[in-house]
Amino acid sequence: TQLLEQSPQFLSIQEGENLTVYCNSSSVFSSLQWYRQEPGEGPVLLVTVVTGGEVKKLKRLTFQFGDARKDSSLHITAAQPGDTGLYLCAGGAFAGNNRKLIWGLGTSLAVNP
Amino acid sequence: EAGVTQFPSHSVIEKGQTVTLRCDPISGHDNLYWYRRVMGKEIKFLLHFVKESKQDESGMPNNRFLAERTGGTYSTLKVQPAELEDSGVYFCASSQDRERASTDTQYFGPGTRLTVL
Repeated sequence: TQLLEQSPQFLSIQEGENLTVYCNSSSVFSSLQWYRQEPGEGPVLLVTVVTGGEVKKLKRLTFQFGDARKDSSLHITAAQPGDTGLYLCAGGAFAGNNRKLIWGLGTSLAVNP
Repeated sequence: EAGVTQFPSHSVIEKGQTVTLRCDPISGHDNLYWYRRVMGKEIKFLLHFVKESKQDESGMPNNRFLAERTGGTYSTLKVQPAELEDSGVYFCASSQDRERASTDTQYFGPGTRLTVL
């Protein structure tokens, strides 16, 4: 069974601080996706990383895929209150035409003004 | 362009009753997925349709769950009879690309919150 361990589960920081969220697995994934979810809504895709060692930046957010494609991190620089939300990682367990996503538990981030 | 829609947004039923959840994917998306999040646990995959065919139903918990996608458009997920452990948020997602799974974005609906009493 493929699992994705996401940490930390909860994070409360002050505006302007930096933070990193981790997703780790013993399994290799075809891709790793990061989502953000707001209350009452479904997850919204932020980024997909596909290649081992790949780094992608989205404004103040930096996403990295591990060299072995088993782990990933999300780093937020100078967090702002608007970054508050639930961040989820999901690994692509793609075999043939199957497109199952394996999810982490999520990180609930609160950025205090 | 309308996003993925789900109906109802909330459902409260008693154990043993039947509930049917509906998902309308983004128009033109051949791939449709059902996921479920039970409180305190991670989102879990239930099944994947390509058009009207079930591509992967490995995540369906048991035979009390029946998913259909007649005509390859909207999908329904029926739970009969419902049990307490079926409570959770059921998400539907759709995607367009049939060729490349790794870069095929899944767009999620807002979910249906099911409570079984």
